Amino acid sequence: NAGVTQTPKFQVLKTGQSMTLQCAQDMNHNSMYWYRQDPGMGLRLIYYSASEGTTDKGEVPNGYNVSRLNKREFSLRLESAAPSQTSVYFCASSPRQQNQPQHFGDGTRLSIL
Amino acid sequence: GQQVMQIPQYQHVQEGEDFTTYCNSSTTLSNIQWYKQRPGGHPVFLIQLVKSGEVKKQKRLTFQFGEAKKNSSLHITATQTTDVGTYFCAGRGTSYGKLTFGQGTILTVHP
Repeated sequence: NAGVTQTPKFQVLKTGQSMTLQCAQDMNHNSMYWYRQDPGMGLRLIYYSASEGTTDKGEVPNGYNVSRLNKREFSLRLESAAPSQTSVYFCASSPRQQNQPQHFGDGTRLSIL
Repeated sequence: GQQVMQIPQYQHVQEGEDFTTYCNSSTTLSNIQWYKQRPGGHPVFLIQLVKSGEVKKQKRLTFQFGEAKKNSSLHITATQTTDVGTYFCAGRGTSYGKLTFGQGTILTVHP
């Protein structure tokens, strides 16, 4: 059982380039999330999808877009990357949004020069 | 918006010493979760607390939820080198609400 799979694991971009981070889960979970982790700031929610067909903004959505492609897949897109978006990005999923533990992928380490 | 503060940011202990991290919310929480992240790894769910005053134990780990449901703590008895990592609390304002993570406490255990 793979759980939550994120690709790529590492990426270096130049300012202004675009990129899509991919996330897929095989646990038949309804809810999926994208977080960014920066030193000393914990995990901050970028966007989430409570169920297939819905997406909502989190705490730090500016500069990002998401697509819930189907129940398994939830992608995060940076249209025009900025150095402030250098971070570790985690995708997570849970059976439902309500009172459920979240299962995290291994993360994508993204550097923007 | 909801804020969850966690202290201390760093803690260095000798193996065998106890460790505690504290979590405080600006608003009443519906529930609180705790996660552990090993160095270079991803957060892994440890436990969820829902009831006021709740105390749960997992071997050497003791988790508490405050009576007012605005604070929580994680206590590790007799730390081991395998306890190294960052411990995060994460709270929800309502049962359907989004999780808000604390900044985390980075635990270092010296053998």
